[in-house]
Amino acid sequence: NAGVTQTPKFRVLKTGQSMTLLCAQDMNHEYMYWYRQDPGMGLRLIHYSVGEGTTAKGEVPDGYNVSRLKKQNFLLGLESAAPSQTSVYFCASSLQGPNTEAFFGQGTRLTVV
Amino acid sequence: KNEVEQSPQNLTAQEGEFITINCSYSVGISALHWLQQHPGGGIVSLFMLSSGKKKHGRLIATINIQEKHSSLHITASHPRDSAVYICAGFSGSRLTFGEGTQLTVNP
Repeated sequence: NAGVTQTPKFRVLKTGQSMTLLCAQDMNHEYMYWYRQDPGMGLRLIHYSVGEGTTAKGEVPDGYNVSRLKKQNFLLGLESAAPSQTSVYFCASSLQGPNTEAFFGQGTRLTVV
Repeated sequence: KNEVEQSPQNLTAQEGEFITINCSYSVGISALHWLQQHPGGGIVSLFMLSSGKKKHGRLIATINIQEKHSSLHITASHPRDSAVYICAGFSGSRLTFGEGTQLTVNP
C-alpha cells in the first residue's frame, strides 16, 4: 500500500517553462488537494478535487491548473513557471472532506530560476 | 494575522522533558488536525479532533472549541520526536494551517 505518491521529488525549471506534477493515491479517496509550503507561512491550498472529473480553486490558484481524469490521480500543471512559484508542493488525499484524516505525499521541491 | 496561530515557533528540550505546543485560532472551527513534518519533509497526520482529548502513545492532543484553543503534549520526549508540528483548523470547507512549531529534542 503506497499511500500518496508524488513525482518528481525535485525539479529545477527555467522561467517560462512548463511542467506537470503527478499525485497518485491508492486508497480510493474522493478528495485530493495540492498545497504549497513557503518559509514563514503555513501550507496554502492551491486547488482541490472532491471527486473524479471535478476540480476547484483554493487560496492561491493563479498560475496553476489541475486535472482529475482518474480518481486515483491529481495532476498539477504550471504552464509558464515564474520564480514566485519556487516552493515545496504537497499533495494530499482524504476519504471525504477536510474533516477526515488527510494523507500527504512526500513533497516536490521546485525551484524556478 | 494568520487565522491559526501556533506557539512557540521554536522549542528546544532535553530528552525526557514534557512538551506542550499550543494552537489558537481566530475563527470558529469544527475540527482540528495535528500534523508532524519530519526533517526529510514528509507530513503525517497525528490527530484529528473536534472535542475533548485524544491519546496515541506518548502524544496527547486536547481541544476546547469554545475557547478556540488546542494543545499537543509529548510526554517523555525523545530525540526522534524532533520535527515540525503543524495544527490546521477545519472551518467551512477548508483547512487553515498554522506556520508550525520546530521542536528539537536533545539527548
